[in-house]
Amino acid sequence: ETGVTQSPTHLIKTRGQQVTLRCSSQSGHNTVSWYQQALGQGPQFIFQYYREEENGRGNFPPRFSGLQFPNYSSELNVNALELDDSALYLCASSLTPGRDVLTGELFFGEGSRLTVL
Amino acid sequence: ILNVEQSPQSLHVQEGDSTNFTCSFPSSNFYALHWYRWETAKSPEALFVMTLNGDEKKKGRISATLNTKEGYSYLYIKGSQPEDSATYLCASPFYNQGGKLIFGQGTELSVKP
Repeated sequence: ETGVTQSPTHLIKTRGQQVTLRCSSQSGHNTVSWYQQALGQGPQFIFQYYREEENGRGNFPPRFSGLQFPNYSSELNVNALELDDSALYLCASSLTPGRDVLTGELFFGEGSRLTVL
Repeated sequence: ILNVEQSPQSLHVQEGDSTNFTCSFPSSNFYALHWYRWETAKSPEALFVMTLNGDEKKKGRISATLNTKEGYSYLYIKGSQPEDSATYLCASPFYNQGGKLIFGQGTELSVKP
């Protein structure tokens, strides 16, 4: 086990609704990254948070937003849900951003599976 | 375009077979190459992080090599076992990309007893 926990594990929403996904990082890790894995694809980077600040963002619209809290846990919020947002959302924690995170492994949670109807 | 590609997409082997699969990445601005194993209903787990051209890493029956000049890495599994059944992902963080890992689509390995 990686020590990274995500909730909820599964959820179903309808188009236009909003969703919040949560992640508790591994103890001692101050960096959290979020990835989206659509069916048949590899995980795609959404954004990363380091010490409560956004530290890099992928090619996702502004309706994807995030937060990191002082205890380094994190939330991913998606507004105005679309059918294409149906995917597995993975959270990954690591020790530090910048150069170190590029050579250090990520510790993933099991993901939150979102279905948008 | 920064792209990481894996082949094959899926692989079915018999217990005891040795197997290998490929990860291709752009050789310019290379920084590191990650391999992860992802079993069904579990979280992806890091196998290796490789940075130097010619790097070879080994963990039990699994090993990996890296060629940064030509932009590929091979993952080898010797004497596959049913518990090796998983999706194997490779990923590369490209220089100056804010900690972003670019993942391949994965190779799904199924080992039949």
